[in-house]
Amino acid sequence: AQSVTQLGSHVSVSEGALVLLRCNYSSSVPPYLFWYVQYPNQGLQLLLKYTSAATLVKGINGFEAEFKKSETSFHLTKPSAHMSDAAEYFCAVSDLGTGGFKTIFGAGTRLFVKA
Amino acid sequence: EAGVAQSPRYKIIEKRQSVAFWCNPISGHATLYWYQQILGQGPKLLIQFQNNGVVDDSQLPKDRFSAERLKGVDSTLKIQPAKLEDSAVYLCASSFPGQGLYEQFFGPGTRLTVL
Repeated sequence: AQSVTQLGSHVSVSEGALVLLRCNYSSSVPPYLFWYVQYPNQGLQLLLKYTSAATLVKGINGFEAEFKKSETSFHLTKPSAHMSDAAEYFCAVSDLGTGGFKTIFGAGTRLFVKA
Repeated sequence: EAGVAQSPRYKIIEKRQSVAFWCNPISGHATLYWYQQILGQGPKLLIQFQNNGVVDDSQLPKDRFSAERLKGVDSTLKIQPAKLEDSAVYLCASSFPGQGLYEQFFGPGTRLTVL
């Protein structure tokens, strides 16, 4: 069965500092991996996705993530945090099961950005 | 293109009352999802439709929750009777199989408070 673990329910960084949000997954088949962002009172918005092409994936707003099969990880990074990056971030894994594609979301990591 | 629409945005009811939520997916998206997002947690899939057929409803509490997607477009999710633990944000999402490798597009959600 697939699962997603996001390490750290809260992460705080200073503006301009590196952002690192951690995600580990388990899946019995090659997965598709996603990072979504959720701003207050809004739905989730796709940041980036891994679909078995390049292992380093670039997304919107300067975010990127690297798929590491040996570590079953898909950590999200951004070189320099901006105040507008403050939001909740969700890692998700999708794989093909008997009932079609099924997506599981992690519990989320709330990012705080200090001025 | 227009996004996923949901209504109402907020709803407050007393326990044992009934409530219904409405979702209009992105035009042409065959797959529709309803998620429950409890505060501090990631979205949990309640039900997934492919056109107007149910693909996955394994986590839907069928004694009190029901959902339908008539004509394969709009969908309604109903809770009857509501319990305190149903307080959550209910998210609707849609996707187009084969496009974006099952990237899901989310609506803004309906925040339900059960008193």
